[in-house]
Amino acid sequence: GQQVMQIPQYQHVQEGEDFTTYCNSSTTLSNIQWYKQRPGGHPVFLIQLVKSGEVKKQKRLTFQFGEAKKNSSLHITATQTTDVGTYFCAGRRAGNMLTFGGGTRLMVKP
Amino acid sequence: GAVVSQHPSWVICKSGTSVKIECRSLDFQATTMFWYRQFPKQSLMLMATSNEGSKATYEQGVEKDKFLINHASLTLSTLTVTSAHPEDSSFYICSAPRGGHTDTQYFGPGTRLTVL
Repeated sequence: GQQVMQIPQYQHVQEGEDFTTYCNSSTTLSNIQWYKQRPGGHPVFLIQLVKSGEVKKQKRLTFQFGEAKKNSSLHITATQTTDVGTYFCAGRRAGNMLTFGGGTRLMVKP
Repeated sequence: GAVVSQHPSWVICKSGTSVKIECRSLDFQATTMFWYRQFPKQSLMLMATSNEGSKATYEQGVEKDKFLINHASLTLSTLTVTSAHPEDSSFYICSAPRGGHTDTQYFGPGTRLTVL
């Protein structure tokens, strides 16, 4: 079945450093979504990417969708303590359910 | 504000009892809702898809007789954990898609179940 792998599992950074999490699918995706889950909270939708090679920005967050629509990345520039949480990608094949990656837990040292 | 609510937010029960968790979409109708399970520091695992007016679709490995799902209205889905055991202790989260073309999943706040 469809698998969505996410790396790294954990990342410790110093406040101000950049952070990137990568998401790879075993199959071509129709779209990919990114979610953030704060400690003790529930996942919150960040963005959806649909087009091949698409790049979207939200302030310090940059999301990319690969040309082959099988991988994606989330890059955070100059991390802040408020960025702490687990970032999940979720990929969807046409007509199928979302499959979540394992998540990347980001910890930021002040 | 919250667009999907869940009740209760946490529950502690004795082994062998049944627990019902409600998921409501606020201000929008959801013909489909999803139920997930999340163990500490792990990802979301889709358990089942709740379909309004019809049977739920369960993921492989999820016991339909143990996790009863009822989607009786366009704004309410319930998950009942029957004869709960300590291994059923987990964080249960529901989600509902809102808006056609965006297909964004809005998640409920989750229900933490602890079975003693």
